[in-house]
Amino acid sequence: QKEVEQNSGPLSVPEGAIASLNCTYSDRGSQSFFWYRQYSGKSPELIMSIYSNGDKEDGRFTAQLNKASQYVSLLIRDSQPSDSATYLCAVTPEGATNKLIFGTGTLLAVQP
Amino acid sequence: DGGITQSPKYLFRKEGQNVTLSCEQNLNHDAMYWYRQDPGQGLRLIYYSQIVNDFQKGDIAEGYSVSREKKESFPLTVTSAQKNPTAFYLCASRDPGTMAFGAGTRLSVL
Repeated sequence: QKEVEQNSGPLSVPEGAIASLNCTYSDRGSQSFFWYRQYSGKSPELIMSIYSNGDKEDGRFTAQLNKASQYVSLLIRDSQPSDSATYLCAVTPEGATNKLIFGTGTLLAVQP
Repeated sequence: DGGITQSPKYLFRKEGQNVTLSCEQNLNHDAMYWYRQDPGQGLRLIYYSQIVNDFQKGDIAEGYSVSREKKESFPLTVTSAQKNPTAFYLCASRDPGTMAFGAGTRLSVL
C-alpha cells in the first residue's frame, strides 16, 4: 500500500463547478497535511495546509481532514480554467516531522 | 526577495559524467531537501539535511551525493552510478510548517 494515494485523473469539471480532489494516507499518526498545485513544467506551490479535523477555508479553496478515516480532500469552488493543474497531496508521517511524503497527484482539467 | 534558487534550469549529462545541481536559499531555513520527479509521478526524496554538515539519505539516494557546508547551500551531484538520471529535480527548504520549492532543474542524458 502506498503511503499517500491519489487518483491520477484526469478529473474534468466545467468552469464554475466545484472540483473535489481526494487523498488517503496510510500512517494513522500523521499530523500535518498539505495540498500543492503544480502547473505543467513548473515546481509545486503550496495552496493549503491543515492540521486538525474538520474544514479549513481560504478563498475558493477548502481543505477537509478526517483523521479517523485517514482522508484529506480539497474542494475548489467556482473552478476556473487557470485552476487546471496537477494537485499533490503531502503528509508528514508520525515520528518524521522533518519529512514530507507526496502522493502522485491528480490532474484537474477545467473546461471553459 | 526571499526564495530558493536552483541552477541551471536545464542540464545535459554525457555518459560517465558527474554533474552538480545548485540550490541556494535565503529563507534562513534549517532543513533542505532534494526530490526527483519523473513524468506522471509524484516527488521522491533523494537526500535531506536538517543542519549544516549533516544530511540523510532519502528513498532513492543511490547514485547521488550531497554536501551541506553552509546553511544557505545544498548542492546535489548526480554521479555516473545513477544509470537513469533523466528527470526533473526539485530543491526545497522548510521551516517547521511549510515546504517551499525552487523552480527546478531538468536533467537529460546526451
